[in-house]
Amino acid sequence: DVKVTQSSRYLVKRTGEKVFLECVQDMDHENMFWYRQDPGLGLRLIYFSYDVKMKEKGDIPEGYSVSREKKERFSLILESASTNQTSMYLCASIMSKTHQPQHFGDGTRLSIL
Amino acid sequence: DQQVKQNSPSLSVQEGRISILNCDYTNSMFDYFLWYKKYPAEGPTFLISISSIKDKNEDGRFTVFLNKSAKHLSLHIVPSQPGDSAVYFCAASAQGGSEKLVFGKGTKLTVNP
Repeated sequence: DVKVTQSSRYLVKRTGEKVFLECVQDMDHENMFWYRQDPGLGLRLIYFSYDVKMKEKGDIPEGYSVSREKKERFSLILESASTNQTSMYLCASIMSKTHQPQHFGDGTRLSIL
Repeated sequence: DQQVKQNSPSLSVQEGRISILNCDYTNSMFDYFLWYKKYPAEGPTFLISISSIKDKNEDGRFTVFLNKSAKHLSLHIVPSQPGDSAVYFCAASAQGGSEKLVFGKGTKLTVNP
């Protein structure tokens, strides 16, 4: 069974801090994704990666960056956290070139004060 | 431009009755469609999917119908149970892409005992 693990379930940070959200998957998946979920807005794609050291912008990349140094790990970085980045952050992974469901982690509820 | 639309933010049904959740899409390149279920403070869980070469897929109490000419899909849950109360997201992807999913904004289903 695929396991996608996000390092924190709940996180509270202050405005202006640099924030790191970590995601690890154990199924050797090539593709990994970061979304944020906000009430009434659904899941919006921030960044995705289809290979180590590769990254692509999603629909809302502003204020975020990512890092993929190892295949199993995909990190989301908030360069200078702002209150409008308070949200639920979700990581997902999938094998490439397969029409299979993405597997999600449990999410990180991030609050920026 | 919202490519996947769930026009009903909420739906309330009685236990034992049928729940029907609807989803419309605009991108004719979409060829794979999924439904995810999400409880608060958890990641989305895959429920059921359908390829564009089919018009129906069943899995136990869950059936997804696809009408390509109308660019419409629906999820039927029969019989509905209180444990089905959650937010349901419709998602779609296009073949040959990076397995990116485009999500609707979700429908909150409440099943009353």
